[in-house]
Parts: sequence; C-alpha cells; structure tokens
Amino acid sequence: EAGVAQSPRYKIIEKRQSVAFWCNPISGHATLYWYQQILGQGPKLLIQFQNNGVVDDSQLPKDRFSAERLKGVDSTLKIQPAKLEDSAVYLCASSLEGTSRAAFFGQGTRLTVV
Amino acid sequence: AQSVTQLDSQVPVFEEAPVELRCNYSSSVSVYLFWYVQYPNQGLQLLLKYLSGSTLVKGINGFEAEFNKSQTSFHLRKPSVHISDTAEYFCAVSGAQGAQKLVFGQGTRLTINP
Repeated sequence: EAGVAQSPRYKIIEKRQSVAFWCNPISGHATLYWYQQILGQGPKLLIQFQNNGVVDDSQLPKDRFSAERLKGVDSTLKIQPAKLEDSAVYLCASSLEGTSRAAFFGQGTRLTVV
Repeated sequence: AQSVTQLDSQVPVFEEAPVELRCNYSSSVSVYLFWYVQYPNQGLQLLLKYLSGSTLVKGINGFEAEFNKSQTSFHLRKPSVHISDTAEYFCAVSGAQGAQKLVFGQGTRLTINP
C-alpha cells in the first residue's frame, strides 16, 4: 500500500514570498490533515478535511494560510505571504472514517523562510 | 479539550538498558492515546495506540505502554534499547468521540549511547 506522498521535501523562500505544498493521501482515505511542526515542538493541527469539506480549521492563520482539497483527494496548503516564524515542517496525514485512530503521516515538507 | 505533557525533553540511555518515556494527559472526556516515533528527516510513525480494553498495549519494535486512568498517564517502555531506537518520540491524545483531533506533546528525544 502506498503511503502519504508529499512534495516538495524541502523549500527555502524569502519572507513575503508565497509557497505551496502538495499532499496525496492514501487511496480511499476520506480524512486529510495538515500539521505544522516547529523545531523542538510537537505537531499542531492546522486543518482537517473530511472528503472535500473542512472539519476543523480553528488553528489555521487564515490571513496568510489557505488550504483546499479538490475532489476529495489531493490537497494543497499555501502560505502567502510567508513570515520567518512559518519556518517549520509541514506534515500531511490521512485516515479512514474521520478518525485519528489510524492516521498515517507523510514525510513532511521542511520550509525555511529567510 | 485535551492536552499532553511529556515530562522529559531528552533521555540519554546506554545500549541494552531499559527505558521509560513519560507522558501525562488531561481530558474531561474519554480518550484514545498514541505514541509516535520520528526518525531524523522523516514523518511520524505509529508505535502503538490505546483505544480500549487491556491497559497494557504492545507495539512495534519491542515497545509497550500502559494506560493508567487514575494517574492520567501513558508511559512508554522498552526493556532493552538499541542504537536504532535513537529518535524523537511523541505522545498524543484524542477524544474518543467527535472530531477526534490528535493533540501532541512536545516530544522526548531518546539518545542511545554505545
């Protein structure tokens, strides 16, 4: 079974630039999550999708972050404009049935904002 | 809402020694509990999970954890560690109902010395 695919693996941008990350979940997984992991901290949920609808985006900084999941499969997370404090690893995860009981994580995208 | 506290940010041990990584949680509702491992530049891999039933949970790579409801703890143990166990370990909690959002602790860096 293929895992959660994310790209790119690494990205370096200057502050105020924009950036986008892509995630392809495990086939058949209805729920998709985006997490932000700042160095030295645990992952923090940014947004949760159930199919192509948003379940929870309470911790997404909506003035600069946006996410979409067209057709209930792939998802993109965008930051515009980026700030220095956005430097982090962005992890995508997916699970069946909207439950965290069997969430599988991708390898993440490491973003460095300079 | 749930929260997780990992009591040790770093744990150094010698190879073949036993190890315990401590995790306490807070929740007003029933919970599911998880331990994830993160190797350098990798995503999160599920080690084990407690959903219900036996309070002693066995996971991959020889790890086990015990759910203690009265002490609100879910400590991770391994009787004999190997160099390859060097990694960051995250305890996570989710409510057993509703959106079941995963909330992570700050992580414990386990370093195995030869």
